[in-house]
Amino acid sequence: ETGVTQTPRHLVMGMTNKKSLKCEQHLGHNAMYWYKQSAKKPLELMFVYNFKEQTENNSVPSRFSPECPNSSHLFLHLHTLQPEDSALYLCASSPRTGDNSPLHFGNGTRLTVT
Amino acid sequence: GENVEQHPSTLSVQEGDSAVIKCTYSDSASNYFPWYKQELGKGPQLIIDIRSNVGEKKDQRIAVTLNKTAKHFSLHITETQPEDSAVYFCAAYLPRGSNSGYALNFGKGTSLLVTP
Repeated sequence: ETGVTQTPRHLVMGMTNKKSLKCEQHLGHNAMYWYKQSAKKPLELMFVYNFKEQTENNSVPSRFSPECPNSSHLFLHLHTLQPEDSALYLCASSPRTGDNSPLHFGNGTRLTVT
Repeated sequence: GENVEQHPSTLSVQEGDSAVIKCTYSDSASNYFPWYKQELGKGPQLIIDIRSNVGEKKDQRIAVTLNKTAKHFSLHITETQPEDSAVYFCAAYLPRGSNSGYALNFGKGTSLLVTP
């Protein structure tokens, strides 16, 4: 058990669908992150939240919409995605942002856009 | 160029041999360097990390070395076993730009295969 739980593990959606990814951390951390992992590319940072406040949006298209209702939960709302958005979406947490501490990752949601 | 470069992209070794993965980073102010292991179907898991006030750190069969002058750091796995087969990522905290603090930047990963 990693301490960071992501659901669902797998998701297949059409380009016109709306779906949400969920992340929950049980580590008492205050920072949460969304990363996109595609084949043969470095992990791409998408969004950062610190104490529920969004501190970074890494030029992510508006079809991805994050939500952080509290320090333990993070959502990624998806709508009108493109096939190139198919990837593994990883959630991570850390005590706080920018303090040189490691990130703790969940096992990801494998997203396929058809 | 990339902020964190990692080599090689693939590595195949015989069980019992050693494996070495190397990374370089761009900003001399970076002072924290974690290594992650990602097995199939799982997220990256921290296996070892090093801070800039030390040059080497060891934990059983894995060790990490850091050369701040040259801005490179390496992961060493000795007496490799088939269960070491996975993708390994290096990372470094790098500045995000003016007043944006630091964020963890990852290398592209090394796919390690240990054959019996």
